[in-house]
Formats: sequence, C-alpha cells, structure tokens
Amino acid sequence: GENVEQHPSTLSVQEGDSAVIKCTYSDSASNYFPWYKQELGKRPQLIIDIRSNVGEKKDQRIAVTLNKTAKHFSLHITETQPEDSAVYFCAASINSGNTPLVFGKGTRLSVIA
Amino acid sequence: GAVVSQHPSWVICKSGTSVKIECRSLDFQATTMFWYRQFPKQSLMLMATSNEGSKATYEQGVEKDKFLINHASLTLSTLTVTSAHPEDSSFYICSARNQGNTQYFGPGTRLTVL
Repeated sequence: GENVEQHPSTLSVQEGDSAVIKCTYSDSASNYFPWYKQELGKRPQLIIDIRSNVGEKKDQRIAVTLNKTAKHFSLHITETQPEDSAVYFCAASINSGNTPLVFGKGTRLSVIA
Repeated sequence: GAVVSQHPSWVICKSGTSVKIECRSLDFQATTMFWYRQFPKQSLMLMATSNEGSKATYEQGVEKDKFLINHASLTLSTLTVTSAHPEDSSFYICSARNQGNTQYFGPGTRLTVL
C-alpha cells in the first residue's frame, strides 16, 4: 500500500521568511496530493491540493509542487505570519471511490515574530 | 467548502461502557466516509472506511468487533466504541468525500475513558 514520508518533523522560521515542507510517496498510482493544516485540538483544514496532471499550483502565499517521476511533492509558504503556526500534514491517494488518504506524520511549524 | 459535523465533540465515560460517535455530511452526499484516530502529537491513523449500505473496511490491527461502524445513509456514519478502556482514549475524527473527491474532516470527538 501507499507510504508517505514527511520532513521535517519540526520547523521554526522567522516571521516573513519562507517555509518548505517535503513529502515523498511510494505508490506510483497515487494521483491526488492534498495538504492540511491542523491547529491544536481542531480538525485538519484543507489548504491546497494538487492532482497529478499539473506540476505546480499556487494560492496567494501557499504553493505546492509535484514531481511525479521522483514521487515527491512540497509545500511552500512565503512571507510567513505567526498565524501560520500549526501542524501541517501532507497526504496522498488514488483520487477515486473509497480509496482513503494516507497521511505523512506531520510537520510542526512555528513562526517566530 | 463542504461541511462535516461530528457529535459529540467530547465525551468522558467509564471503562466498560460503549460510546457512539456520529459523523454527518451537512451539504453533500457521501457514499464513503473515513474514520481516523489521532493520539497526542501524532498523525491521523486510518481506522476504517465506511461505505453506505455495505460493511466497513477495517485497517489492519483495528478490531471490527470493538469499533462498530454503521453507514446507514448517504449523510450519516456512526462509530461505536464498545467496552471502552483507557487505552481507547483518543481524538476520533471522521471525514467525508464529496462528489469532487475532496475529503473534508469533521471537528473531531475527544474520548476520555476513565
């Protein structure tokens, strides 16, 4: 089955700097890669996703890149703000029917003011 | 985005009792819902896939007789933790997939078994 590795497990950046979180996956059939942000005690919130027919997607300060050949994808947050502090999870799945998302172990991002 | 609700948001129970958690998709129909468990400072671990009108598919190591799942309609799935013990204390989160195959999470249920 699918296996998703996520690095780093913790990341501290100064406010205004960029943050990059990287994930790799094992199943070449996976074609859907969402990123979730989870604040303490709350539900994971979808912040951006990418499908395998594109290599990059951007939404304001957040961007995701996908390299299908290397089976890795990354989250980029620019101009970080204290409210970006949270745990970020990457996930991968075959985007159909009842195939579940497989999550990485998460990255705890701290943005220092 | 789509809305998924979960009830209750938290529950405290005595060891040996059963607890039922409901997951509802409020503005879309979900033929498939998923149940996850999350321990403190850990990732979401898939427990089972809940299919409307059929039996749930459980992940390896998850006891189907202990974690009963019922997906009776296109908007409701329930998870019953039977004979709960302290080691079952965790954050249980459901998710539902809309027709665009985007997965949305419920707010979670924090279960504490004394």
